[in-house]
Amino acid sequence: QSVLTQPPSVSAAPGQKVTISCSGSNSNIGNNYVSWYQQLPGTAPKLLIHENTKRPSGIPDRISGSKSGTSATLGITGLQTGDEADYYCGAWDTSLSAGVFGTGTRVTVL
Amino acid sequence: QVQLVQSGSELKKPGASVKVSCKASGYTFNVYSINWVRQAPGQGLEWIGYINPNTGNPTYAQGFTGRFVFSLDSSVTTIYLQISSLEAEDTAVYYCARDRHTIAFDYWGQGTLLTVSS
Repeated sequence: QSVLTQPPSVSAAPGQKVTISCSGSNSNIGNNYVSWYQQLPGTAPKLLIHENTKRPSGIPDRISGSKSGTSATLGITGLQTGDEADYYCGAWDTSLSAGVFGTGTRVTVL
Repeated sequence: QVQLVQSGSELKKPGASVKVSCKASGYTFNVYSINWVRQAPGQGLEWIGYINPNTGNPTYAQGFTGRFVFSLDSSVTTIYLQISSLEAEDTAVYYCARDRHTIAFDYWGQGTLLTVSS
């Protein structure tokens, strides 16, 4: 069972912005880095954000990450049909001594 | 270029064992831990654990101790996940992933579909 909570789905029209929240606790998000992943249907997840805000090489700057307290947020601006995917947050949980993922959010482009 | 290439799909009967491989290439093998993540059909990502390629020391999430075993062969830069006493609930896609910094998985294998069915 996931210890990080995300909304099941978000949607917006092409060109618009979506934000996805990831809620945790002091044992994970509050004191550890957050990563974000995009999973297109039938493919392996892809790293979008690491260390809360950093984008790996090749990830466009319309993708952004932020963190405040025990919550993190992924933002996608200039939404494209190719952004339709499942998105997951992830972090280390110090109390569990384990990696934990969010429940996942399906992004739909209207 | 960095690549993680996993072994192919497996169909096993309950009670059997399986060994999934993850061949790493394109980087210095002993610098990054390799993690295992599973995804049951239609479900989210679940962290299984990781292995330190320097020491060979594995770490398992709660619920994955006992039947799940990580190992590696540095001579062929390959990491293994062995699952014994398979159950139908083990049916999932299993991914290996390189960790660049504490659950920041920058490279993933293509996934191995394990189906456990009688």
